[in-house]
Amino acid sequence: AQSVTQPDIHITVSEGASLELRCNYSYGATPYLFWYVQSPGQGLQLLLKYFSGDTLVQGIKGFEAEFKRSQSSFNLRKPSVHWSDAAEYFCAVGQGAQKLVFGQGTRLTINP
Amino acid sequence: GAVVSQHPSRVICKSGTSVKIECRSLDFQATTMFWYRQFPKQSLMLMATSNEGSKATYEQGVEKDKFLINHASLTLSTLTVTSAHPEDSSFYICSASKGDGELFFGEGSRLTVL
Repeated sequence: AQSVTQPDIHITVSEGASLELRCNYSYGATPYLFWYVQSPGQGLQLLLKYFSGDTLVQGIKGFEAEFKRSQSSFNLRKPSVHWSDAAEYFCAVGQGAQKLVFGQGTRLTINP
Repeated sequence: GAVVSQHPSRVICKSGTSVKIECRSLDFQATTMFWYRQFPKQSLMLMATSNEGSKATYEQGVEKDKFLINHASLTLSTLTVTSAHPEDSSFYICSASKGDGELFFGEGSRLTVL
């Protein structure tokens, strides 16, 4: 069965610091991997996705993620966070865009 | 990018009444839409897959008679929470697929049942 684990429920970083949000998945085939961001009371916005090819993918808002098949991971990174990055981040896995399974989410707090 | 809109964004209803939530793809046709439920500070749980012109496919544990889904056109899917009770209070989010490997999410609808 598909599953996604985001080990960190809540992360706090200082503005300007680097960020890495962890995501591990379990999937029987080559996964399609996604990172979404959700602001309070809002829907989800796609940050980036990996289907195939280059394992380092670039997304919007300066985010990137690296697919590591050997570690079943798809960690999200940003070199320097901004206060506006405070939100909930969800990693998801699926087959194409069908029936995504989401991780538990990581809440990011930014200290000024 | 593609836009998916949900309406209403917030709804409060009395216990025992039914509530309908609409999900529209505004600038593309969506053969498949998905309905998720999100409890406070938790992840999204897929409730059902809605296919235009056919019956929805419900996930295990989701009551199909409680959560009625209709996908009557390529741009509209509706979720009706029938005989709502306080435990149905939640944030409901829809998403739509253009068929190119990406999902677009609505803004979500917060249901509060008194």
